[in-house]
Amino acid sequence: EVQLVESGGGLVQPGGSLRLSCTASVFTLSSYWMSWVRQAPGKGLEWVANIKEDGSEKYYVDSVKGRFTISRDNADKSLYLQMNSLRAEDTAVYYCVRENVQAFDIWGQGTMVTVSS
Amino acid sequence: EIVLTQSPGTLSLSPGERATLSCRASQTISSTYLVWYQQKPGQAPSLVIYGASNRATGVPDRFSGSGSGTDFTLTISRLEPEDFAVYYCQLFRGKTFGQGTKVEIK
Repeated sequence: EVQLVESGGGLVQPGGSLRLSCTASVFTLSSYWMSWVRQAPGKGLEWVANIKEDGSEKYYVDSVKGRFTISRDNADKSLYLQMNSLRAEDTAVYYCVRENVQAFDIWGQGTMVTVSS
Repeated sequence: EIVLTQSPGTLSLSPGERATLSCRASQTISSTYLVWYQQKPGQAPSLVIYGASNRATGVPDRFSGSGSGTDFTLTISRLEPEDFAVYYCQLFRGKTFGQGTKVEIK
């Protein structure tokens, strides 16, 4: 079964850092753009960042620019999100998502990030 | 920035009824980039419709998408118990999501 599995979430203090990981299985990660999408508790969906197949292009939502870095290791079938200078408003479930046919067609189960003192 | 507005916020219907969900864009968009997702409680979203009217793999044919320009619609012809969920539209080009419509059991 095609799937994405995230890890690395947890509780972190404001100003702290966290690195999320996502591992792909069955499909060839290097063939797809990949994204991170987040969902604050009880709220809607917000796209956070994406990265081209070979890692040569990266884009971010304005609210995380300069603080978050998306990266990938295709040989290791992995996607990452390095999150620095975390704020309370970054508290959310973070989903690793595959882009395909102009849509997000495969979603991971999500990993919870809580920023609180 | 293009804003997507979904209506209604909540739709209360009974199993077997027809559900009509609206997604309106603040300016004309290409239907190629209009997407619908379903999210059940405690689960990740899943793709329902892409390109405004194309069902994703495994999606039952009671789900249909239509529209063009600024107005798009997701229709569920006869609601099954597993269809009660929150539905989000998305403009894929800008990665913008609507705020969601909750379809609840009446």
